[in-house]
Amino acid sequence: TQLLEQSPQFLSIQEGENLTVYCNSSSVFSSLQWYRQEPGEGPVLLVTVVTGGEVKKLKRLTFQFGDARKDSSLHITAAQPGDTGLYLCAGLPSNFGNEKLTFGTGTRLTIIP
Amino acid sequence: DAGITQSPRYKITETGRQVTLMCHQTWSHSYMFWYRQDLGHGLRLIYYSAAADITDKGEVPDGYVVSRSKTENFPLTLESATRSQTSVYFCASGVSSYEQYFGPGTRLTVT
Repeated sequence: TQLLEQSPQFLSIQEGENLTVYCNSSSVFSSLQWYRQEPGEGPVLLVTVVTGGEVKKLKRLTFQFGDARKDSSLHITAAQPGDTGLYLCAGLPSNFGNEKLTFGTGTRLTIIP
Repeated sequence: DAGITQSPRYKITETGRQVTLMCHQTWSHSYMFWYRQDLGHGLRLIYYSAAADITDKGEVPDGYVVSRSKTENFPLTLESATRSQTSVYFCASGVSSYEQYFGPGTRLTVT
């Protein structure tokens, strides 16, 4: 089993601040996804990154895939209360034929108005 | 425009009973997945299916049975429910094994 460690587990910051959360592994992934989950709902896909070093932006969210495809980060600029939720990273292992996503345990983010 | 739906949304059952959780998607996605989400464990894959009549085990398949006779449906059956199967169950679908789209979940309590 390829593990994905997310840090921090919990983060509570004031509205308007910037933050970064991390997703790390010792294994290589062919792609990595970020999801956001709100209470009582299923995770919602935010982005997929597939190339080492790739950076994708989604409004105030910036996602980066590490050069070695073992880690990723999510940076939020000027956080808003609507950003509150559980952020999950998930990786598709690089070994051929493995179709099972590995999920991290998540970062629970709270933005205080 | 229903997307992916799960039923029931909430279920309470007794130990030893058989329970079936339903999942239906309207996108004609090839792949479908069942996960359970528990505090401290995150999302763990139970079973997945790459196409109708093709299923494979995930990380935690023991005690669960799946079938996929139609592309749009992927029911999950707990043959004899145990308290350790109390969890929130999510179904997902996708055109590939990544970029999955999740249903709203079923909260199952086994007493």
